[in-house]
Amino acid sequence: AQKITQTQPGMFVQEKEAVTLDCTYDTSDPSYGLFWYKQPSSGEMIFLIYQGSYDQQNATEGRYSLNFQKARKSANLVISASQLGDSAMYFCAMREKGANSKLTFGKGITLSVRP
Amino acid sequence: EPEVTQTPSHQVTQMGQEVILRCVPISNHLYFYWYRQILGQKVEFLVSFYNNEISEKSEIFDDQFSVERPDGSNFTLKIRSTKLEDSAMYFCASREDEGYSYNEQFFGPGTRLTVL
Repeated sequence: AQKITQTQPGMFVQEKEAVTLDCTYDTSDPSYGLFWYKQPSSGEMIFLIYQGSYDQQNATEGRYSLNFQKARKSANLVISASQLGDSAMYFCAMREKGANSKLTFGKGITLSVRP
Repeated sequence: EPEVTQTPSHQVTQMGQEVILRCVPISNHLYFYWYRQILGQKVEFLVSFYNNEISEKSEIFDDQFSVERPDGSNFTLKIRSTKLEDSAMYFCASREDEGYSYNEQFFGPGTRLTVL
C-alpha cells in the first residue's frame, strides 16, 4: 500500500482564491509527522508546513494551513489567497518510526494559479 | 539564513563513469540525507547518515552507491559506475538533533545528474 497518496490531477485556481490539495497517508506508527513541500519549476524543495500526529490543533503558517483529520488519515493543505507565485508542484510527505528517520513522499500535485 | 548547498548544480557524465555529488549541510546539523527525484516522479529516499555511519538506506542504495563525510563540513554521494537510470535530481538534506522535538529537514537546491 502507498504510504502517501496524492491522487488529484493538475489543479487550477484563480488568483486570490483558496485551494485545497489532498493528501492521505497510511501508517501503523502512532507517532508520525506530516510535511508539505513546494517545488517550483526551478527544482528546489521548499518546506511549507508540519503537523505532528499528537498535535491537538491544525498547523498554520501564514497563508498555509493543514486540515488534519487523524481518523481519516488525511492531511490536506489549504492555501488561502492564492498568488501567481504559488504555481508549483506540491508534495506531501510523512516521517514515521522516529524523529530522525527518512521522509516518504507522495507523487505530488501540480498547482497552477490563473491571473 | 543558513542553508544547505550542493555542487555541482548540473553534472553530465558518460555511462560507467564515477560521479561524486557534494553537499555542505547546515553547520550545526547532525543528520544528513540523500534523496533522488527522477524527472516527473516523486522524491525517493536513498540514505541517512549520522555519527559517521549510515543509519538507514533504501533498496535503491545498492553497492554502486556510497556516502562519506570526509571532513567537518562536506557530505558526499558517490556513484561508482553510473547507469542511464541514475539520471535524476539528487537532493541533500540535513536536520538538527533536538531529541524527539520536531524539526524539519532542510533541503539543498539539488544536483541534476544526466547520464549519457
